[in-house]
Amino acid sequence: NAGVMQNPRHLVRRRGQEARLRCSPMKGHSHVYWYRQLPEEGLKFMVYLQKENIIDESGMPKERFSAEFPKEGPSILRIQQVVRGDSAAYFCASSPSNDYEQYFGPGTRLTVT
Amino acid sequence: KQEVTQIPAALSVPEGENLVLNCSFTDSAIYNLQWFRQDPGKGLTSLLLIQSSQREQTSGRLNASLDKSSGRSTLYIAASQPGDSATYLCAVLTDSWGKLQFGAGTQVVVTP
Repeated sequence: NAGVMQNPRHLVRRRGQEARLRCSPMKGHSHVYWYRQLPEEGLKFMVYLQKENIIDESGMPKERFSAEFPKEGPSILRIQQVVRGDSAAYFCASSPSNDYEQYFGPGTRLTVT
Repeated sequence: KQEVTQIPAALSVPEGENLVLNCSFTDSAIYNLQWFRQDPGKGLTSLLLIQSSQREQTSGRLNASLDKSSGRSTLYIAASQPGDSATYLCAVLTDSWGKLQFGAGTQVVVTP
């Protein structure tokens, strides 16, 4: 059973471009979480999704950020018009249920130049 | 509002010593607590999960205790090895949605 997969592992974008981060959960997991780790800061929750539904997006900035988890395919975290402050490691986690252990992917390190 | 604190922020021990890492949380109404390990530039590896009804969990050289009433968890790593050098994070699950709240971590260095 492959672990949580994220791609790309590293992403460089210029200010104003769009960043798309992908997450494939573990097989059998229908719950996906996105977290962000800013430089020198701890991990912060961004959004929780189940298939085709956003359950909790309380940690996501109101503008420029969006997330989806379609019926088929990976979960996508989209950042429009990136700014330097978006530079961070973005981690995806998956779980078979909402109170079970979460398994994390290797992360996508976004650098905005 | 739940706050998770890990003390110390950094720890250096010689190989063979036991490690004691502390995690405290302000709201005892948690569903579970999870300990993770993070290596530089890498993702998180889950070490132990303690449900709110449990008092401890063990895996190999690792033992984690949970005292919900006092808002504390401790991770013990016996007979430390240089390969244990990493940042250790604790996280609490405080709502039924599965949103984990993390501490800032303890950076551990085990010297040969």
